[in-house]
Amino acid sequence: EVQLVESGGGLVQPGGSLRLSCTASTFTFSNYWMHWVRQAPGKGLVWVSRIEKNHGRYTSYADSVKGRFTISRDNAKNTVYLEMRSLRVEDTAVYYCATVNEPLGAWGQGTLVTVSS
Amino acid sequence: QTVVTQEPSLTVSPGGTVTLTCASSTGAVTIDHYPNWIQQKPGQAPRTLIYSTSIQQSWTPARFSGFLLGGKAALTLSGVQPEDEADYYCLLFYGDVHVFGSGTKVTVL
Repeated sequence: EVQLVESGGGLVQPGGSLRLSCTASTFTFSNYWMHWVRQAPGKGLVWVSRIEKNHGRYTSYADSVKGRFTISRDNAKNTVYLEMRSLRVEDTAVYYCATVNEPLGAWGQGTLVTVSS
Repeated sequence: QTVVTQEPSLTVSPGGTVTLTCASSTGAVTIDHYPNWIQQKPGQAPRTLIYSTSIQQSWTPARFSGFLLGGKAALTLSGVQPEDEADYYCLLFYGDVHVFGSGTKVTVL
């Protein structure tokens, strides 16, 4: 069974940093673009970032996180990361990793990030 | 800023048919936007039902179909079941970024 497991969420103060991880299993991770999506409490889904398959040289970001968040991947560890800096209260959300527009159609269960003083 | 608009809510009777739509503020939605449809039930992670406009995931029931209609992406649920009650989001690709729609809450009543 295809599986994505996120970790690294928690409580952080405004202006702080956090790194999320998403580890994949039972599929060839390096063959897939990977995405991060977030969902604030009681709100809709918001696309955050994506990283190219294979070497991950190409990345893109939503305007709301550009310059503050960095996506990366380690294919040897089957893991994609989201480094989040200068966190704001409005970054509070459940963060999901996922494959998009693929037959795989995989989503993780999410990890909660709470930004609060 | 690109905005993707969906109906906020729709109600359908069990066994009925309902069509959800997804419009882009930039103009007509085309196959080049690779529309995806994602279902989310309360307390659960999202689950992709349709990708690339009309391709069903292996777990997608046949009653869900995706297509383009009048410049929008559309998702039709035919023979609706009680378990189809959920939030449905479309996701469009804009060459460098993706944008989710605002979501449609489907109530089966």
